[in-house]
Amino acid sequence: DQQVKQNSPSLSVQEGRISILNCDYTNSMFDYFLWYKKYPAEGPTFLISISSIKDKNEDGRFTVFLNKSAKHLSLHIVPSQPGDSAVYFCAASAKTGRRALTFGSGTRLQVQP
Amino acid sequence: GAGVSQSPRYKVTKRGQDVTLRCDPISSHATLYWYQQALGQGPEFLTYFNYEAQPDKSGLPSDRFSAERPEGSISTLTIQRTEQRDSAMYRCASSLSGGGGGETQYFGPGTRLLVL
Repeated sequence: DQQVKQNSPSLSVQEGRISILNCDYTNSMFDYFLWYKKYPAEGPTFLISISSIKDKNEDGRFTVFLNKSAKHLSLHIVPSQPGDSAVYFCAASAKTGRRALTFGSGTRLQVQP
Repeated sequence: GAGVSQSPRYKVTKRGQDVTLRCDPISSHATLYWYQQALGQGPEFLTYFNYEAQPDKSGLPSDRFSAERPEGSISTLTIQRTEQRDSAMYRCASSLSGGGGGETQYFGPGTRLLVL
Protein backbone atom coordinates (compact mmCIF):
# COMPACT_ATOMS: atom_id res chain seq x y z
CA ASP A 1 0.00 0.00 0.00
CA GLN A 2 1.85 3.07 -1.30
CA GLN A 3 0.97 6.06 0.83
CA VAL A 4 2.98 8.48 -1.33
CA LYS A 5 2.75 8.13 -5.09
CA GLN A 6 4.66 9.73 -7.91
CA ASN A 7 2.87 8.45 -10.97
CA SER A 8 5.27 9.86 -13.56
CA PRO A 9 8.54 7.93 -13.59
CA SER A 10 10.11 10.45 -15.96
CA LEU A 11 9.69 13.95 -17.36
CA SER A 12 11.55 15.76 -20.12
CA VAL A 13 11.49 19.56 -20.37
CA GLN A 14 13.27 22.15 -22.49
CA GLU A 15 15.71 24.50 -20.79
CA GLY A 16 13.99 27.71 -19.71
CA ARG A 17 10.55 26.14 -19.52
CA ILE A 18 8.60 25.16 -16.41
CA SER A 19 8.99 21.69 -14.89
CA ILE A 20 6.02 20.41 -12.89
CA LEU A 21 6.48 17.30 -10.78
CA ASN A 22 3.44 15.78 -9.09
CA CYS A 23 2.88 13.74 -5.96
CA ASP A 24 -0.24 12.25 -4.38
CA TYR A 25 -0.67 10.90 -0.87
CA THR A 26 -3.33 8.86 0.89
CA ASN A 27 -2.53 9.21 4.61
CA SER A 28 -4.51 12.12 6.07
CA MET A 29 -2.15 12.17 9.09
CA PHE A 30 0.69 13.52 6.95
CA ASP A 31 1.30 17.15 7.80
CA TYR A 32 4.78 17.90 6.50
CA PHE A 33 5.95 17.38 2.95
CA LEU A 34 9.38 17.56 1.41
CA TRP A 35 11.03 17.30 -1.98
CA TYR A 36 14.45 15.77 -2.32
CA LYS A 37 16.71 15.85 -5.36
CA LYS A 38 19.10 13.02 -6.11
CA TYR A 39 22.06 12.95 -8.45
CA PRO A 40 23.67 9.60 -9.42
CA ALA A 41 25.96 8.12 -6.75
CA GLU A 42 24.85 10.68 -4.16
CA GLY A 43 22.33 10.63 -1.35
CA PRO A 44 19.04 12.53 -1.64
CA THR A 45 19.53 16.26 -1.03
CA PHE A 46 16.82 18.31 0.64
CA LEU A 47 15.27 20.82 -1.75
CA ILE A 48 12.14 22.40 -0.30
CA SER A 49 9.39 21.60 2.20
CA ILE A 50 5.89 22.69 3.11
CA SER A 51 3.81 22.37 6.24
CA SER A 52 0.15 21.46 6.00
CA ILE A 53 -0.82 24.87 7.37
CA LYS A 54 0.37 26.43 4.12
CA ASP A 55 -0.62 25.91 0.52
CA LYS A 56 2.48 27.34 -1.12
CA ASN A 57 6.15 27.71 -0.35
CA GLU A 58 8.64 29.38 -2.63
CA ASP A 59 12.44 29.31 -2.68
CA GLY A 60 14.05 30.91 -5.69
CA ARG A 61 13.18 28.93 -8.80
CA PHE A 62 11.42 26.25 -6.76
CA THR A 63 7.82 26.42 -5.56
CA VAL A 64 5.85 23.69 -3.84
CA PHE A 65 2.06 23.76 -3.88
CA LEU A 66 -0.09 21.74 -1.49
CA ASN A 67 -3.76 20.92 -2.09
CA LYS A 68 -4.89 19.21 1.10
CA SER A 69 -8.41 18.46 -0.06
CA ALA A 70 -7.05 16.61 -3.09
CA LYS A 71 -4.10 15.16 -1.12
CA HIS A 72 -1.84 16.41 -3.87
CA LEU A 73 1.35 18.38 -4.01
CA SER A 74 3.46 19.60 -6.86
CA LEU A 75 6.92 21.03 -7.36
CA HIS A 76 7.37 23.77 -9.95
CA ILE A 77 10.80 24.66 -11.27
CA VAL A 78 10.95 27.90 -13.24
CA PRO A 79 13.01 28.35 -15.33
CA SER A 80 14.35 24.82 -15.68
CA GLN A 81 18.10 24.44 -16.14
CA PRO A 82 20.16 21.46 -17.36
CA GLY A 83 21.68 21.18 -13.86
CA ASP A 84 18.20 20.41 -12.54
CA SER A 85 18.34 17.03 -14.30
CA ALA A 86 18.07 14.51 -11.47
CA VAL A 87 15.62 12.19 -9.74
CA TYR A 88 13.13 14.02 -7.54
CA PHE A 89 11.54 12.30 -4.56
CA CYS A 90 8.44 13.48 -2.77
CA ALA A 91 8.30 12.58 0.94
CA ALA A 92 5.86 13.06 3.80
CA SER A 93 5.82 12.75 7.56
CA ALA A 94 3.24 12.85 10.32
CA LYS A 95 3.35 14.75 13.61
CA THR A 96 2.25 11.69 15.52
CA GLY A 97 2.95 8.04 15.12
CA ARG A 98 5.86 7.03 12.95
CA ARG A 99 8.31 9.91 12.61
CA ALA A 100 10.10 8.63 9.57
CA LEU A 101 9.64 9.96 6.07
CA THR A 102 7.49 8.05 3.62
CA PHE A 103 8.82 8.44 0.11
CA GLY A 104 7.38 8.21 -3.36
CA SER A 105 9.19 6.21 -6.00
CA GLY A 106 10.72 9.25 -7.68
CA THR A 107 10.47 11.12 -10.98
CA ARG A 108 13.48 11.41 -13.25
CA LEU A 109 13.65 14.93 -14.70
CA GLN A 110 15.66 15.56 -17.84
CA VAL A 111 16.14 19.20 -18.84
CA GLN A 112 17.20 19.44 -22.47
CA PRO A 113 19.56 22.30 -23.41
CA GLY B 1 31.05 16.49 10.71
CA ALA B 2 29.96 18.56 7.73
CA GLY B 3 27.52 15.97 6.47
CA VAL B 4 26.30 12.44 7.02
CA SER B 5 28.88 9.85 6.10
CA GLN B 6 28.47 6.12 5.59
CA SER B 7 30.90 3.26 5.22
CA PRO B 8 31.58 1.18 3.34
CA ARG B 9 30.15 2.69 0.16
CA TYR B 10 29.94 -0.75 -1.45
CA LYS B 11 29.80 -4.19 0.12
CA VAL B 12 29.70 -7.52 -1.66
CA THR B 13 29.12 -10.55 0.51
CA LYS B 14 28.11 -14.16 0.20
CA ARG B 15 24.75 -15.43 1.30
CA GLY B 16 24.82 -16.47 4.94
CA GLN B 17 27.52 -14.00 5.99
CA ASP B 18 26.95 -11.20 8.48
CA VAL B 19 27.51 -7.58 7.46
CA THR B 20 27.77 -4.38 9.47
CA LEU B 21 27.17 -0.96 7.97
CA ARG B 22 28.22 2.27 9.64
CA CYS B 23 26.70 5.74 9.76
CA ASP B 24 28.28 8.89 11.12
CA PRO B 25 25.57 11.59 11.39
CA ILE B 26 25.93 15.36 11.44
CA SER B 27 27.53 16.03 14.81
CA SER B 28 24.82 18.24 16.31
CA HIS B 29 21.96 15.95 15.27
CA ALA B 30 20.04 14.02 17.89
CA THR B 31 18.04 11.80 15.59
CA LEU B 32 19.33 9.17 13.20
CA TYR B 33 17.33 7.10 10.72
CA TRP B 34 18.06 4.01 8.66
CA TYR B 35 16.32 3.40 5.35
CA GLN B 36 16.48 0.64 2.75
CA GLN B 37 16.14 1.59 -0.90
CA ALA B 38 15.45 -0.90 -3.67
CA LEU B 39 16.33 -0.06 -7.25
CA GLY B 40 13.81 2.31 -8.80
CA GLN B 41 12.06 2.99 -5.50
CA GLY B 42 12.21 5.59 -2.79
CA PRO B 43 13.87 4.88 0.56
CA GLU B 44 11.81 2.81 3.03
CA PHE B 45 12.06 3.27 6.77
CA LEU B 46 13.83 0.64 8.84
CA THR B 47 14.42 2.15 12.28
CA TYR B 48 15.41 5.34 14.05
CA PHE B 49 17.29 6.55 17.14
CA ASN B 50 16.77 9.55 19.34
CA TYR B 51 20.23 9.79 20.89
CA GLU B 52 20.81 6.21 22.14
CA ALA B 53 17.14 5.32 22.41
CA GLN B 54 15.53 3.34 19.62
CA PRO B 55 11.83 4.22 19.83
CA ASP B 56 10.76 2.59 16.58
CA LYS B 57 12.17 -0.47 14.86
CA SER B 58 8.95 -1.45 13.18
CA GLY B 59 10.44 -1.17 9.69
CA LEU B 60 13.10 -3.82 10.23
CA PRO B 61 12.10 -6.67 7.87
CA SER B 62 13.18 -9.54 10.12
CA ASP B 63 15.04 -10.32 13.32
CA ARG B 64 18.19 -10.76 11.24
CA PHE B 65 18.35 -6.95 11.12
CA SER B 66 19.51 -4.97 14.14
CA ALA B 67 20.88 -1.50 14.77
CA GLU B 68 22.80 0.20 17.55
CA ARG B 69 23.76 3.71 18.55
CA PRO B 70 25.40 3.12 21.92
CA GLU B 71 26.80 6.62 22.53
CA GLY B 72 24.20 8.61 20.70
CA SER B 73 26.42 9.45 17.75
CA ILE B 74 27.71 6.80 15.32
CA SER B 75 25.29 4.01 14.46
CA THR B 76 25.70 0.56 12.97
CA LEU B 77 23.20 -1.59 11.11
CA THR B 78 23.92 -5.31 11.20
CA ILE B 79 22.37 -7.93 8.96
CA GLN B 80 22.94 -11.48 10.09
CA ARG B 81 22.85 -14.51 7.77
CA THR B 82 22.41 -12.31 4.72
CA GLU B 83 20.05 -13.38 1.96
CA GLN B 84 19.97 -12.30 -1.68
CA ARG B 85 16.79 -10.29 -1.06
CA ASP B 86 18.79 -8.09 1.35
CA SER B 87 20.64 -6.62 -1.65
CA ALA B 88 19.75 -2.92 -1.70
CA MET B 89 21.05 0.56 -0.96
CA TYR B 90 21.07 1.29 2.75
CA ARG B 91 20.74 4.97 3.58
CA CYS B 92 21.28 6.78 6.82
CA ALA B 93 19.81 10.19 7.60
CA SER B 94 19.99 12.53 10.56
CA SER B 95 17.90 15.41 11.83
CA LEU B 96 18.49 18.08 14.41
CA SER B 97 16.15 17.48 17.29
CA GLY B 98 13.92 14.87 18.79
CA GLY B 99 12.56 13.29 15.66
CA GLY B 100 9.22 15.01 15.66
CA GLY B 101 7.32 15.46 12.46
CA GLY B 102 8.05 18.56 10.46
CA GLU B 103 11.80 18.18 10.49
CA THR B 104 14.19 17.95 7.57
CA GLN B 105 16.32 14.83 7.37
CA TYR B 106 19.76 14.97 5.79
CA PHE B 107 20.96 11.87 3.97
CA GLY B 108 24.30 10.20 3.58
CA PRO B 109 25.56 8.73 0.28
CA GLY B 110 24.42 5.23 1.20
CA THR B 111 25.98 1.76 1.28
CA ARG B 112 25.18 -0.46 -1.67
CA LEU B 113 24.98 -4.06 -0.48
CA LEU B 114 25.12 -6.97 -2.89
CA VAL B 115 24.53 -10.47 -1.55
CA LEU B 116 25.69 -13.21 -3.90
